[in-house]
Order: sequence, then structure tokens, then C-alpha cells
Amino acid sequence: SQQGEEDPQALSIQEGENATMNCSYKTSINNLQWYRQNSGRGLVHLILIRSNEREKHSGRLRVTLDTSKKSSSLLITASRAADTASYFCATDRYGANSKLTFGKGITLSVRP
Amino acid sequence: EAGVVQSPRYKIIEKKQPVAFWCNPISGHNTLYWYRQNLGQGPELLIRYENEEAVDDSQLPKDRFSAERLKGVDSTLKIQPAELGDSAVYLCASSLSRGRAETFNEQFFGPGTRLTVL
Repeated sequence: SQQGEEDPQALSIQEGENATMNCSYKTSINNLQWYRQNSGRGLVHLILIRSNEREKHSGRLRVTLDTSKKSSSLLITASRAADTASYFCATDRYGANSKLTFGKGITLSVRP
Repeated sequence: EAGVVQSPRYKIIEKKQPVAFWCNPISGHNTLYWYRQNLGQGPELLIRYENEEAVDDSQLPKDRFSAERLKGVDSTLKIQPAELGDSAVYLCASSLSRGRAETFNEQFFGPGTRLTVL
């Protein structure tokens, strides 16, 4: 079963606005990653945040992690039409038998 | 540097036919993954290799699916016979090994193979 669940399922904003996407998960995690998938293509890694970290930045991306609430958020500032894509959070747990588990994704549309 | 290469990009077959997908990971990446992605869903792991060894194949439907990674580089995923429900995008990814920390590193994905079973 899927570990992460993204919210909202779909988001439509105007170019230049900020986009906030949320991910909740059910059990304790080791790391949480965010990926982007453009239509008809493979996934591209955006950012990885470890369970002992609370916030990370990468360019226009800001990721937060709240382990007490079992949730993460991805903020894209000053959005561009090229940011239009599906965004997935993925989590893994501790242990040798862990695997990276993806959520269902959020569809972001940025209107020019 | 070349990314993860997959072929074919598209495949249309009739049910009960066999099909095979090929993946060439990024050079130096010991870990290779095969995922299946259904429409509107996130990728789901089918199998993970560390070099030549399949270390996690718990999600692979072994009655019809098989995979191999000879020499620890290229990999092939096969379905025989294919069923209607196998229609999906099959993604290959690679990464550096987890190491002692058993941490999943950034995964690099190929463009995928879109399989349609009629």
C-alpha cells in the first residue's frame, strides 16, 4: 500500500504565484523525497529531507518535514509555466528490507 | 553523462503474448529498480537489484514476471504471458548503493516503457 498521500490532488495557479503541496504518511520514516514528473516522462528527483531535518531549500523549492505530524510540504515560489507537472512524495523506513514508497501525486498546472 | 536508458518506449501487444523491457542504468550505479506506474498513481516497486542480486522482489508477480541483471549492469524485465491488467508504464531507475546507513539515495529514472495490452 502507498505510504505517502499528497494533498491536494490537483492545484491550478497563475504564473508567479507560490504553490504549496502537502504529503502525509502513516508510519515513522527514515527519509522523505519529492519527485517531479512531466507528462509522458520519467521522474526527476527534486529534494531529499532526512528524518532529523526540519527544512531544506533548493533554488525556488522549500521543503519542510514535521515528524510529529507525519507530514511534509513542498513550496515552489514564483511559479513558472514550466513547473506544470505531477509531484510525488516518497518515503522509506529504517531497515534492510525497506523500500521507497510513492504517493499518488499532485497535478500542478501553472497558467501563463 | 547519459541518463538511464530504456527501450522500447512504447509497446502494444495482445494478451497472452510475451513482452520484454530493457534498461541500462547510469554508469557506476550499483542499485537498479523496476517500477510499475498505473495511470493516476505513483510508481510501485517491482524489484530492486544490488549489483547482480535481487534483494527485494517481494512485489514481483512471479507467476508471470521475471527479471535479470546479468553482470550487474543492464537489466531485462519480462512478462509472459501478458494480461490486460499489465497495461501500465514500466520505469527503470538507478542509484548509488544504500551503503551501511541503509539510506535510499536519489533515484534517477528512465523515460519508461508504456505497455498496452489489448
